[in-house]
Amino acid sequence: GENVEQHPSTLSVQEGDSAVIKCTYSDSASNYFPWYKQELGKRPQLIIDIRSNVGEKKDQRIAVTLNKTAKHFSLHITETQPEDSAVYFCAARKMNYGGSQGNLIFGKGTKLSVKP
Amino acid sequence: SAVISQKPSRDICQRGTSLTIQCQVDSQVTMMFWYRQQPGQSLTLIATANQGSEATYESGFVIDKFPISRPNLTFSTLTVSNMSPEDSSIYLCSVAWQDPAGELFFGEGSRLTVL
Repeated sequence: GENVEQHPSTLSVQEGDSAVIKCTYSDSASNYFPWYKQELGKRPQLIIDIRSNVGEKKDQRIAVTLNKTAKHFSLHITETQPEDSAVYFCAARKMNYGGSQGNLIFGKGTKLSVKP
Repeated sequence: SAVISQKPSRDICQRGTSLTIQCQVDSQVTMMFWYRQQPGQSLTLIATANQGSEATYESGFVIDKFPISRPNLTFSTLTVSNMSPEDSSIYLCSVAWQDPAGELFFGEGSRLTVL
């Protein structure tokens, strides 16, 4: 089955710097890669996702890149702010035969701390 | 998106007892899932709740320990049976719509502590 590795497990940056979190996946059939942000005591919330037919997607200060050949994808946060501090999870999913949704497999998470 | 309500939001239980967690969605959804998040850990899929039929469990999870019901397209329950301290965790209901790659939405979670 699918296996998702996420690095680093913790990341500390100064406010205004960029942060990069990287994930690799094992199943080449995976075609959907979301990123979730989980603040302390809150539910995970989707911040950005990318499908396998594109290599990059950007939403304001957040961008995700996908390298299907190498089977890795990354989250980039620019101009970090203290409110970006949270745990970030990457995930991967593939289509099951017949077009139904496959299961979402999560990485272990990255705790991002943005210091003022 | 969807409004996903879970009850209870938290509970403290005694070893050997069982607790049922409810998940109510404000609209009909195709897919409902139950995840477990142990303290400081990632999200692990327990099972897919199938409407009108038995749930599909992931490796390491069994129906006797985690019975699941889904009587309709807006409601599901997860029971944690014969609890032990190792079951202390956050249990999250999540939903998605049938789509080639639909977004997964999470409930607020039910924080369970077993003494």
